[in-house]
Amino acid sequence: QSALTQPASVSGSPGQSITISCTGTSSDVGSYNLVSWYQQHPGKAPKLMIYEGSKRPSGVSNRFSGSKSGNTASLTISGLQAEDEADYYCCSYAGSSTPDVVFGGGTKLTVL
Amino acid sequence: QVQLQESGPGLVKPSETLSLTCAVSGYSISSGYYWGWIRQPPGKGLEWIGSIYHSGSTYYNPSLKSRVTISVDTSKNQFSLKLSSVTAADTAVYYCARDLTAAMVNDYWGQGTLVTVSS
Repeated sequence: QSALTQPASVSGSPGQSITISCTGTSSDVGSYNLVSWYQQHPGKAPKLMIYEGSKRPSGVSNRFSGSKSGNTASLTISGLQAEDEADYYCCSYAGSSTPDVVFGGGTKLTVL
Repeated sequence: QVQLQESGPGLVKPSETLSLTCAVSGYSISSGYYWGWIRQPPGKGLEWIGSIYHSGSTYYNPSLKSRVTISVDTSKNQFSLKLSSVTAADTAVYYCARDLTAAMVNDYWGQGTLVTVSS
């Protein structure tokens, strides 16, 4: 069982917007602004899409945005495109006395 | 362009030690950042194993800490993972990555290598 909770699947049509939630606790998501989001296509390494909750690495489309409210972080993808179909994982720093990083179980995004 | 490449045995026997190396090109490890290992069992999600700072400080997943050692060799521009007393549950694709903050801000990844634990 993953430390962070994500929906197993979400879907949307091209051009629509979708949001993937990532729910943790006051020991991880709620305590730190250190949530990252990764996109993973089948057989490929994960790709960093969002870090520190809402920052986009250079080269990542501005259709991807991140936010946080309390113990829940969210990834929103606007203007869905076929190439967005992938697995998405959230992770959060969770260290208090010792460093730790926890992941969500992943969300399969299907573009209809 | 920063590139990372994992190498090591694809098959390890139960109770033995898994050893992987990640060779880095396009960036000198001694220049900074953290360098980490992440794994993904077949068909499952990602798990952070740990990371090492360029100076040698290490950070491990508490659930694996008793079995994990991450080291760095700046002269060869590579870092390594050792996981002892492996079981079938350690079968996974193992990725190495550059971590900007030790909090899983991994901007460059290796392609991953499958390690199977079986007799």
